Amino acid sequence: NAGVMQNPRHLVRRRGQEARLRCSPMKGHSHVYWYRQLPEEGLKFMVYLQKENIIDESGMPKERFSAEFPKEGPSILRIQQVVRGDSAAYFCASSNDPEGRNYGYTFGSGTRLTVV
Amino acid sequence: SQQGEEDPQALSIQEGENATMNCSYKTSINNLQWYRQNSGRGLVHLILIRSNEREKHSGRLRVTLDTSKKSSSLLITASRAADTASYFCATVISGSARQLTFGSGTQLTVLP
Repeated sequence: NAGVMQNPRHLVRRRGQEARLRCSPMKGHSHVYWYRQLPEEGLKFMVYLQKENIIDESGMPKERFSAEFPKEGPSILRIQQVVRGDSAAYFCASSNDPEGRNYGYTFGSGTRLTVV
Repeated sequence: SQQGEEDPQALSIQEGENATMNCSYKTSINNLQWYRQNSGRGLVHLILIRSNEREKHSGRLRVTLDTSKKSSSLLITASRAADTASYFCATVISGSARQLTFGSGTQLTVLP
């Protein structure tokens, strides 16, 4: 059981480029969550997805950010036209307990995005 | 203050001592969870305590929950240098969507 796999671990983009972050949930988990962490801060919720559905995107910026979790393949967090303020660590978590009532979430090691 | 705030922000102790971290929150919760994050790594789930529970143990960890005060504490007994990390509390808010709401964390340093 490889756990939650995120790639790449580190991503450097120039301002204006696109960033694509990938997350493969734990085997058997169908619920995926994306979080963003700025330096010295806690994690901030961005979006919650199930296969082919966005359940809650209340934490996503209105522009430039999108997420998907297709029927086949990993979940993708896409940031278009990146700006310096997008530099952060982006974490993905998965769960088979959608209400979070009984188990904690399993987090990946994150993707550290640096915009130069 | 935000939902899920840890106190203190930073804590430094000697190996073998106990470490206590506190967390306060603002709204009704379904459960409260504690996570650890080593520098530059992802979060590791430590323990979950439900709103109808008052205390829970897991190895050297002891978590308490006081829903009347909207607070929780995490006690690490007989600390080790390997316990050095940031510790976050996170809540699942009652009746809301399923996402966790995190505090800003406590940075624990255990000196050998």
